[in-house]
Amino acid sequence: QVQLQESGPGLVKPSETLSLTCTVSGDSMNTYYWSWIRQPPGKGLEWIGYIYYSGGTKYNPSLKSRVTISVDTSKNHFSLKLSSVTAADTAVYYCARTQLASLDYWGQGTLVTVSS
Amino acid sequence: EIVLTQSPGTLSLSPGERATLSCRASQSVTSSYLAWYQQKPGQAPRLLIYGASSRATGIPDRFSGSGSGTDFTLTISRLEPEDFAVYYCQQYGSSPLFTFGPGTKVDIK
Repeated sequence: QVQLQESGPGLVKPSETLSLTCTVSGDSMNTYYWSWIRQPPGKGLEWIGYIYYSGGTKYNPSLKSRVTISVDTSKNHFSLKLSSVTAADTAVYYCARTQLASLDYWGQGTLVTVSS
Repeated sequence: EIVLTQSPGTLSLSPGERATLSCRASQSVTSSYLAWYQQKPGQAPRLLIYGASSRATGIPDRFSGSGSGTDFTLTISRLEPEDFAVYYCQQYGSSPLFTFGPGTKVDIK
């Protein structure tokens, strides 16, 4: 069974860059899209973007100017960078496999707080 | 952008009862591109339904999805104690590629 695990700092200072990695186990990354989604505390879900295993990306237009998603299939992981963060970027960040227009396997999520 | 509206916001029911959750889109959604998720406190969302009506792997048959165009429904035929959670619908295809509804909370009456 596919498993995903997010990792990265839980605290980021305002104006700095948030960096997270999602490690995939139990299956190859090939032929799939891989997404990042976030959820502010007590709020709903927001899709950030995805990357194809070969490197093509699509981002949410609301975040596009600040987001970079990359992939390293040799290490079975993909990464998120979100620049110039503010308190509004405080959220639980999830990674997920993307298939058939849905998100079928999710990581457990990691809380990132933006604060000085 | 396609906006998804879910109703009711909260549904208070007892175990054994039937739950009917609605998801309405501001524009027509391709049926193949409508999904439902369940989220319990402190957990990641879990895919229940994709393609509007296909159950994801391991999902019990008490969960069913239906609908087309702008109106979609998730039905839980008989609520089990573990079904009390928040449910989100999601569409794919209109920019941004994925959008979610605000959720319906199913709680114990």
